Amino acid sequence: GQNIDQPTEMTATEGAIVQINCTYQTSGFNGLFWYQQHAGEAPTFLSYNVLDGLEEKGRFSSFLSRSKGYSYLLLKELQMKDSASYLCAVKDSNYQLIWGAGTKLIIKP
Amino acid sequence: DVKVTQSSRYLVKRTGEKVFLECVQDMDHENMFWYRQDPGLGLRLIYFSYDVKMKEKGDIPEGYSVSREKKERFSLILESASTNQTSMYLCASTPGQGDSYEQYFGPGTRLTVT
Repeated sequence: GQNIDQPTEMTATEGAIVQINCTYQTSGFNGLFWYQQHAGEAPTFLSYNVLDGLEEKGRFSSFLSRSKGYSYLLLKELQMKDSASYLCAVKDSNYQLIWGAGTKLIIKP
Repeated sequence: DVKVTQSSRYLVKRTGEKVFLECVQDMDHENMFWYRQDPGLGLRLIYFSYDVKMKEKGDIPEGYSVSREKKERFSLILESASTNQTSMYLCASTPGQGDSYEQYFGPGTRLTVT
């Protein structure tokens, strides 16, 4: 079966750095997405990786290792507004998105 | 900016009622999707559509149907609502089938079936 694993919840301090991991087992791979979802709101796109390596976008970076079936989202200089759920999703061989359950990130002052 | 709108943010229906959830996107996107989101579970695909009048079953289509009569509008229908269909329903759209196309989501409809 297809599976995406992420930690359920993480806590970090304002101003710090946090890394949210995602491991996947899917039938084929056509890219990995990270989305941010604030409570009660729709998911919004953060990043896309299809090749191995690090993609940096401001305070957020996303890393992919296809051989290990592994990705992480790195958030730097955390702000209170970063408190949200972070969803990892993989596009499989049928170009369908398989979603993880999401990681709830709690930022403390 | 792409805008995806859904007909209601909150909806309360009784068991056995027929329920219509509507989704409209304003960017001429080809593909549209209906998901449900439940605590502790990832988004689960109910149905999707790659073109007008075209539909494909997702992972959990039982108890649902869809309609896409116009490119911009994708409707989800619960033929006879049941309590286990209480959930957050999210509509999304993408321009095409390319690998890197992100999905644009509507604000969601929180449906409660009593």
